[in-house]
Amino acid sequence: GDSVTQMEGPVTLSEEAFLTINCTYTATGYPSLFWYVQYPGEGLQLLLKATKADDKGSNKGFEATYRKETTSFHLEKGSVQVSDSAVYFCALSDYGGATNKLIFGTGTLLAVQP
Amino acid sequence: AAGVIQSPRHLIKEKRETATLKCYPIPRHDTVYWYQQGPGQDPQFLISFYEKMQSDKGSIPDRFSAQQFSDYHSELNMSSLELGDSALYFCASSREPGQSSYEQYFGPGTRLTVT
Repeated sequence: GDSVTQMEGPVTLSEEAFLTINCTYTATGYPSLFWYVQYPGEGLQLLLKATKADDKGSNKGFEATYRKETTSFHLEKGSVQVSDSAVYFCALSDYGGATNKLIFGTGTLLAVQP
Repeated sequence: AAGVIQSPRHLIKEKRETATLKCYPIPRHDTVYWYQQGPGQDPQFLISFYEKMQSDKGSIPDRFSAQQFSDYHSELNMSSLELGDSALYFCASSREPGQSSYEQYFGPGTRLTVT
C-alpha cells in the first residue's frame, strides 16, 4: 500500500540555521503531497502542498518540491526561528482516486534553540 | 475564517464506557474524515464520509461507529472503551474530492483519556 517515510527526529538547530527534513513516498497512483505542522498541544495545520510532479509548495519561508523521479518531497527553510519548533508531518493523498484519506509519515520533531 | 469545530475538547471516560465525539465541518465542506493519533504517533485514518455516505474505512475498531448528518456534521461513537483508545481524535473536512480547492482542514482535536 501507499506509505510515507520521513527522517526521524528530533532535529535540533540553532536559530537562523538551514533546515531540511527528508520525506520519501511510495504510491501506486499520482498522489498529492503535503506537509502539516503540529505545534505543542494543538491540531494539525497545513503548511504547504504540491499536487503534481515538479510543483513547488511554499509558505512562511518553507519550501518543498514534488520530485517524481526520486519519489521525494523534502521540506526546507533557509533560516529557522524559535517559533518554528513543532512536529512536522509529511503526508500523501491519492487525489482524485477512490479515497482521499491522508497517509502520514511518523513525524519529525524540530527544536530550534535561540 | 470559520474552522472545523470539535467537541468536546477533552473527555475522560472509564473502561467499558461509551463516548461520542462531534465534528462540525467548515461551511460548504461536504466531506469529513476522522483520524486517531496515539501518544507520539502519526495520525491514523479511521473513516470518512461524503454527502452523508461512508466513503472509506480505515483501521477503525468494530466498537466504533460514525455517521454524517444532514447538516454535514459528524459524530464518532465509541463503545466498550479500552485503555488503548486514549488518544487525540481529529476531524478534518474538505470539499468534494476532485475539486481544485481540495485540502483537508483539521479541527483542534478531542483528547480522550480512558482510565
